[in-house]
Amino acid sequence: GQNIDQPTEMTATEGAIVQINCTYQTSGFNGLFWYQQHAGEAPTFLSYNVLDGLEEKGRFSSFLSRSKGYSYLLLKELQMKDSASYLCAVRDPKDTDKLIFGTGTRLQVFP
Amino acid sequence: DADVTQTPRNRITKTGKRIMLECSQTKGHDRMYWYRQDPGLGLRLIYYSFDVKDINKGEISDGYSVSRQAQAKFSLSLESAIPNQTALYFCATSDTTGVNEQFFGPGTRLTVL
Repeated sequence: GQNIDQPTEMTATEGAIVQINCTYQTSGFNGLFWYQQHAGEAPTFLSYNVLDGLEEKGRFSSFLSRSKGYSYLLLKELQMKDSASYLCAVRDPKDTDKLIFGTGTRLQVFP
Repeated sequence: DADVTQTPRNRITKTGKRIMLECSQTKGHDRMYWYRQDPGLGLRLIYYSFDVKDINKGEISDGYSVSRQAQAKFSLSLESAIPNQTALYFCATSDTTGVNEQFFGPGTRLTVL
């Protein structure tokens, strides 16, 4: 079967850096997504990794190691508005147009 | 205007009632999806469609049906609602080019009493 693991909750301080980890066990790999979801709102796309390494987008970066089945999302210079859930998702190896989502990591940023 | 819209945004209904949730998109995407989200369980795929004549079951399709009336519209029906279908429902669309990330609608909060 396919499995994605993320920590359930994390806390951090405004201005700090936080790393949210995601590990996956799938029968193949064709890409990994990170989404941000504020409470009660729609998930919004943050980043995509298909090759090993770091993808940087402003304050957010995402890293992938395919050999380790591991990704992380790095958030720098945290702001209060970054308080949200962060969802890790991988393409279904049997049907790459489908996504398999982790349960998400709820991040709370404190002043 | 929002690219992916869902109606209604909130609905309270009773066990046994038939409910239809509607999704419309102006992104011109061929692919559309219906998910439900429950606390602690994440997003789970109910049905998806890659074309007007294409309907596919997701991991939790029992108790649901869908209709793809046009490229821009994808409806989800609960023929006889039950309390454990209380959840937040999201529609999503994706393109066939590039990263083809999914774009989500604002969600419908459904409560079945």
